[in-house]
Amino acid sequence: SQKIEQNSEALNIQEGKTATLTCNYTNYSPAYLQWYRQDPGRGPVFLLLIRENEKEKRKERLKVTFDTTLKQSLFHITASQPADSATYLCALEAFQKLVFGTGTRLLVSP
Amino acid sequence: GAVVSQHPSRVICKSGTSVKIECRSLDFQATTMFWYRQFPKQSLMLMATSNEGSKATYEQGVEKDKFLINHASLTLSTLTVTSAHPEDSSFYICSAPNRGNSGANVLTFGAGSRLTVL
Repeated sequence: SQKIEQNSEALNIQEGKTATLTCNYTNYSPAYLQWYRQDPGRGPVFLLLIRENEKEKRKERLKVTFDTTLKQSLFHITASQPADSATYLCALEAFQKLVFGTGTRLLVSP
Repeated sequence: GAVVSQHPSRVICKSGTSVKIECRSLDFQATTMFWYRQFPKQSLMLMATSNEGSKATYEQGVEKDKFLINHASLTLSTLTVTSAHPEDSSFYICSAPNRGNSGANVLTFGAGSRLTVL
């Protein structure tokens, strides 16, 4: 069966450190993968998209990697800040619909 | 950038009543809108795809008579939860796709509607 898995346990890190979140998928062959941020009680907000032929994508303090052999994407936030605390969701497109992972909650403490 | 406005943000209703949630694209036309449902600490589950001018497409297991979706215009889609029951209590979020230059289905989400059925 198709699965998109993210670590369900919250990730706690200290301000200034790099946060790394993982997204693993099975039985998908995505042309691209997306990352969204969701704050409590709010809708998700699009952050980054990476294509299957791209190894790495950067946007300010964010970096995403995509390994289609491992079927994995890593999402990095460098120099993390308390304002980065949120839930981060990865998503794949299947049959013109976006399917989301369960998300990983990131807590950045001062 | 693209903005999707969703109302109401919170609604509490009695069991057996119907609740309507509106989703508007403010500065662009959305021929398609996706409606998701999210339970606490769970992922977003796609309920249905609304299409302007045609019937909505529902995901497997979603009751179309329970969750009525109408895409009245290029900027408005509505979800009506009919005869709501406590198990319908959830966070409902609409979204509109924007393929842009990437060709990918990037979604702009509304702020979500928290439904509590007593």
